[in-house]
Amino acid sequence: EVQLLESGGGLVQPGGSLRLSCVASGFIFGSYTMTWVRQAPGKGLEWVSSISSSASSRYYVDSVKGRFTISRDNSKNTLFLQMNSLGAEDTAIYYCARDPGTHYYWYFDLWGRGTLVTVSS
Amino acid sequence: QSTLTQPASVSGSPGQSITISCTGTNSDVGGYNLVSWYQQHPGKAPKLLIYEVSKWPSGVSNRFSGSKSGNTASLTISGLQAEDEADYYCCAYTTTTTSVIFGGGTKLTVL
Repeated sequence: EVQLLESGGGLVQPGGSLRLSCVASGFIFGSYTMTWVRQAPGKGLEWVSSISSSASSRYYVDSVKGRFTISRDNSKNTLFLQMNSLGAEDTAIYYCARDPGTHYYWYFDLWGRGTLVTVSS
Repeated sequence: QSTLTQPASVSGSPGQSITISCTGTNSDVGGYNLVSWYQQHPGKAPKLLIYEVSKWPSGVSNRFSGSKSGNTASLTISGLQAEDEADYYCCAYTTTTTSVIFGGGTKLTVL
């Protein structure tokens, strides 16, 4: 079955760190650009970061630049999001999503179920 | 980064058609045919409905259609069904930041 499964969310204190993972199955992970999208409670979708299939390029939303790092391990079919200096504004469900190409097509045809990150003291 | 402008809510009766607009600028919606639409039911992950303005992914009903005029994209749902009640988001590539931005979302109520 073609799917994405996120993990690593949880409760973290302000200023803390968390590393999210997204394991892909059912397709050739290394052939696709991957993306993280988040959704704060009761709010809309927000693109966070994207990484090309070979990890040669990465992009971030301004609000996370310098704090978040997207990476991937194609040998383990896994996408990561390292999140540092977390603040309340980072509280959200984080979705892993697939861009349908090796390069950026800028739409997302496969989504995981999401993992909830809560930043609170 | 700002968001694309969508109406907060729309409604329609079963069998009717509705249209959701998505307004941006010539740096995003108007600049490229890289507009996509997503459906999200409560507590679920988003689902791709339309990509590149008007193309259907495999398995998506042709009751959903997309179009674009200038800086405004539109999603039309024809033959409304109860299961169409959900939140809908537009998304567009933006040259301003080499990324995508989403609309604020539109809640569709099927009366």
